[in-house]
Amino acid sequence: EAQVTQNPRYLITVTGKKLTVTCSQNMNHEYMSWYRQDPGLGLRQIYYSMNVEVTDKGDVPEGYKVSRKEKRNFPLILESPSPNQTSLYFCASSFWGEPQHFGDGTRLSIL
Amino acid sequence: GNSVTQMEGPVTLSEEAFLTINCTYTATGYPSLFWYVQYPGEGLQLLLKATKADDKGSNKGFEATYRKETTSFHLEKGSVQVSDSAVYFCALSNTGRRALTFGSGTRLQVQP
Repeated sequence: EAQVTQNPRYLITVTGKKLTVTCSQNMNHEYMSWYRQDPGLGLRQIYYSMNVEVTDKGDVPEGYKVSRKEKRNFPLILESPSPNQTSLYFCASSFWGEPQHFGDGTRLSIL
Repeated sequence: GNSVTQMEGPVTLSEEAFLTINCTYTATGYPSLFWYVQYPGEGLQLLLKATKADDKGSNKGFEATYRKETTSFHLEKGSVQVSDSAVYFCALSNTGRRALTFGSGTRLQVQP
């Protein structure tokens, strides 16, 4: 089954404790992206990757890092999480020019 | 920059009622337009899309027409069902980095 898989689905952690949210897709998509969803703001792009080893900032990149060492994986790293990063996060992927497929989301709570 | 404005919810309808969710956008050039749907606890699913002016996207009884003259992409369905209860997002894409610019979402509640 074609899918975008995120882990964990839920995480409660504390300020400053490094965390990684993994994202994996099995559709051989070259394009991958991370979004955060906040009430009243819709989804906003954090980082994106057009292919392996090619990443760039989206609209709200501060406090986040990403890497793209393999085509199928695109982890989101929070080196020193803060409470304002409490949000619902979505990973997405697609072929170039095609609509994006989304994962089921990761709900992060930073205390 | 790009922006998408959609009507605030929640929208509450009875089953078999007619649905319209308004969406207007601001963008340079010729964006592609999308409607995504998010069911509780799930990710976003593409509902329909339109890539150029006057295109009509349709899926599962939902329709939306790309109106460049009014910069609108309103979502319609003739007869909603309880199973249509979800949050609906209007979005556009026209940048090289293919970011989707989303509206804030409209929650639809359909009562039996």
